Amino acid sequence: EAGVAQSPRYKIIEKRQSVAFWCNPISGHATLYWYQQILGQGPKLLIQFQNNGVVDDSQLPKDRFSAERLKGVDSTLKIQPAKLEDSAVYLCASSLVGSQPQHFGDGTRLSIL
Amino acid sequence: QKEVEQNSGPLSVPEGAIASLNCTYSDRGSQSFFWYRQYSGKSPELIMSIYSNGDKEDGRFTAQLNKASQYVSLLIRDSQPSDSATYLCAVTGNNNDMRFGAGTRLTVKP
Repeated sequence: EAGVAQSPRYKIIEKRQSVAFWCNPISGHATLYWYQQILGQGPKLLIQFQNNGVVDDSQLPKDRFSAERLKGVDSTLKIQPAKLEDSAVYLCASSLVGSQPQHFGDGTRLSIL
Repeated sequence: QKEVEQNSGPLSVPEGAIASLNCTYSDRGSQSFFWYRQYSGKSPELIMSIYSNGDKEDGRFTAQLNKASQYVSLLIRDSQPSDSATYLCAVTGNNNDMRFGAGTRLTVKP
């Protein structure tokens, strides 16, 4: 079974630029999550999708972050414009349904200069 | 008030000892509880899931859940140096939204 795929693995941009991350969940997994993990902290949920609908985006900074999962499969997370405090690892995870264990991708390490 | 709380550690135990990791949560409606292990520079990987009060054992790992006390723990028996990692407690709420603790860093000394 293929795992959760994420790209790119690393990204370096300057502040005020924009960046996008892509995630392809495990086949058949209805629930998809985006997390932000700052060094030394636990993952922070940014947005949770059930198929192509949003279940929870209460911690997503909506003035600069956006995410979509148009066909209920893969998903894109965008930051525009980036700030220095956005430097983190962005993790994508998926699960069969929301109450089940999540499987994580390798993450995208974002550095803002 | 933090939703999921863990001692940040570091927790240091000798090889072969029992490591005990603790977690408390604030949402009484929480239904699902997970322990993840995260090696430095890697993504979290699932160790245990537990859904009802009591103990659940899987090899050297035992998860314990007490919903009345809003407490979940992970015991690692016969700790090995390869168990050295950060252990993340995760809890799902009524909307199945997942909240993670900050993690406890465990070091197992040979």
